[in-house]
Amino acid sequence: EAQVTQNPRYLITVTGKKLTVTCSQNMNHEYMSWYRQDPGLGLRQIYYSMNVEVTDKGDVPEGYKVSRKEKRNFPLILESPSPNQTSLYFCASSQGAGGYTFGSGTRLTVV
Amino acid sequence: EDKVVQSPLSLVVHEGDTVTLNCSYEVTNFRSLLWYKQEKKAPTFLFMLTSSGIEKKSGRLSSILDKKELFSILNITATQTGDSAIYLCAVEVNTNAGKSTFGDGTTLTVKP
Repeated sequence: EAQVTQNPRYLITVTGKKLTVTCSQNMNHEYMSWYRQDPGLGLRQIYYSMNVEVTDKGDVPEGYKVSRKEKRNFPLILESPSPNQTSLYFCASSQGAGGYTFGSGTRLTVV
Repeated sequence: EDKVVQSPLSLVVHEGDTVTLNCSYEVTNFRSLLWYKQEKKAPTFLFMLTSSGIEKKSGRLSSILDKKELFSILNITATQTGDSAIYLCAVEVNTNAGKSTFGDGTTLTVKP
């Protein structure tokens, strides 16, 4: 089944403790992207990648890092999480035309 | 800065009604406009529009783009309770392939 898989689905962590949210797609898509969704704010793009080793900042990159060492994987790293990064996170992938396929989301709480 | 504005923010209708959702945008070097439906979980893709005046249609849903006036509409006819969702509009640009800007969404509630 074609899909984007994110892990974990739910995460509660403490301020300052580094964490990684994994994302993997099995569709051989070139484009991958991370978004965060907060109530009433739609989706805001954090980082995106056009191919292996090619990444760029979205609209809200501060406090996040990404890497694209393989085509299928695009992990999101929070080096020192803070409470304002409490949010619902989505990873997505795309062939480049026809819209993104989204993962099921990761609900992150930073206390 | 790229900007996408959706209206209304929320809408409550009864089954069988027809609804029109709006999306206006201000971006540099427009490439495409996309509509997504988000129920309880992840957004799912509905339409991608790149050319002005050409309607995309899927069942009771249809969408059209006006590149001169910089907006798009999403129409849903004969609404059903299963249409209740957040509808998201996003715009992509040519200069940064992969970059997308979303509007805040329209929350549609369809009552029986």
